[in-house]
Amino acid sequence: DVKVTQSSRYLVKRTGEKVFLECVQDMDHENMFWYRQDPGLGLRLIYFSYDVKMKEKGDIPEGYSVSREKKERFSLILESASTNQTSMYLCASSLLGGPLYEQFFGPGTRLTVL
Amino acid sequence: TQLLEQSPQFLSIQEGENLTVYCNSSSVFSSLQWYRQEPGEGPVLLVTVVTGGEVKKLKRLTFQFGDARKDSSLHITAAQPGDTGLYLCAGGPGNQLIWGAGTKLIIKP
Repeated sequence: DVKVTQSSRYLVKRTGEKVFLECVQDMDHENMFWYRQDPGLGLRLIYFSYDVKMKEKGDIPEGYSVSREKKERFSLILESASTNQTSMYLCASSLLGGPLYEQFFGPGTRLTVL
Repeated sequence: TQLLEQSPQFLSIQEGENLTVYCNSSSVFSSLQWYRQEPGEGPVLLVTVVTGGEVKKLKRLTFQFGDARKDSSLHITAAQPGDTGLYLCAGGPGNQLIWGAGTKLIIKP
């Protein structure tokens, strides 16, 4: 089974702090994604990566950056956290060119910025 | 811009009832997936449909892809409290899926 793990389930940070969210997958998937999920808005793509050191902006990249130094690890960075970044953050992975583009998710990190 | 609209946004019913939730778009999708998300967890894939008119069954859940591949439905027979969750549809092609906002389903004992 695919396993996607995220470094924290819950995180509380203060405005202006630098925040690192880490995601690791164990199925050798090429694609990795970071989403945020807010009530009524569904999943919104922040960034995705299709290979090591490669990244593409999603729908809402402002205020975020990412790093993918190893195939299995994809990090999301909030350079200077703000209260409007309080949200549930979900990491996912999938095969590149997988026949059905199915995504496998981690349990999520609920981030609160005070 | 491709969009997926899910309806209803929220549904609360008694155990044993039947229900249908919908995922609609004006765009054609090459595949459509249904995920269920339980509180505090990430979404888990339930099924993928790829052929227009396709019907797939997963125990008491029946998924249908519209003939024109623009819409899909999920029907649950004799709902149980364990079916409670957020049901999300997502459409391809491409590595970036288009996501609906979800239907929050609560099944009361």
